[in-house]
Amino acid sequence: TQLLEQSPQFLSIQEGENLTVYCNSSSVFSSLQWYRQEPGEGPVLLVTVVTGGEVKKLKRLTFQFGDARKDSSLHITAAQPGDTGLYLCAGYTSGTYKYIFGTGTRLKVLA
Amino acid sequence: DVKVTQSSRYLVKRTGEKVFLECVQDMDHENMFWYRQDPGLGLRLIYFSYDVKMKEKGDIPEGYSVSREKKERFSLILESASTNQTSMYLCASSLQIIFGLAGRYTGELFFGEGSRLTVL
Repeated sequence: TQLLEQSPQFLSIQEGENLTVYCNSSSVFSSLQWYRQEPGEGPVLLVTVVTGGEVKKLKRLTFQFGDARKDSSLHITAAQPGDTGLYLCAGYTSGTYKYIFGTGTRLKVLA
Repeated sequence: DVKVTQSSRYLVKRTGEKVFLECVQDMDHENMFWYRQDPGLGLRLIYFSYDVKMKEKGDIPEGYSVSREKKERFSLILESASTNQTSMYLCASSLQIIFGLAGRYTGELFFGEGSRLTVL
């Protein structure tokens, strides 16, 4: 069974701090996605990475896919209260149609 | 904008009752999925469908069944609800997998707002 472990599980920081969330697996994925979920809503896609070593930036968010395509990280610079939410990584393996989701990281940014 | 609509935001049912959760998408997506979300466990796939009348078991199909009679609608059925099925249920849809420059490419999942089910 493929598993995606995220760390940390919970994170509470002050506005303006930097943080990194990790998503690790022993399995290789064809691509990996990051979603953010706010209370009372479904997850919304932030980014998809498909190439080992790929780095994508979305304003203050930087996403990296590991060289071996087994892990990924999300780095937020100068966090803001609007970044508060549940962050989920999701790995995809070709031919399976299945997205395997990580355990989630709940982030709270205090003003 | 893609819209995935789940029929009920909140349901309270009794043990043994039959429960229907409905999901409708308006973007002509081929793929549809049902996940359940529990704290600390992330999202776990119950069933998915890649075409009308087609269904595949996910990681936790026990106690659930699904129906996809029309492309836009995917229903999750709990034949006899149990307390351990109390959870948040999320429906999602996506385009069929397409090929990009890097080979197979994963389409974006569009989620509904979720249905929170409590089984007493």
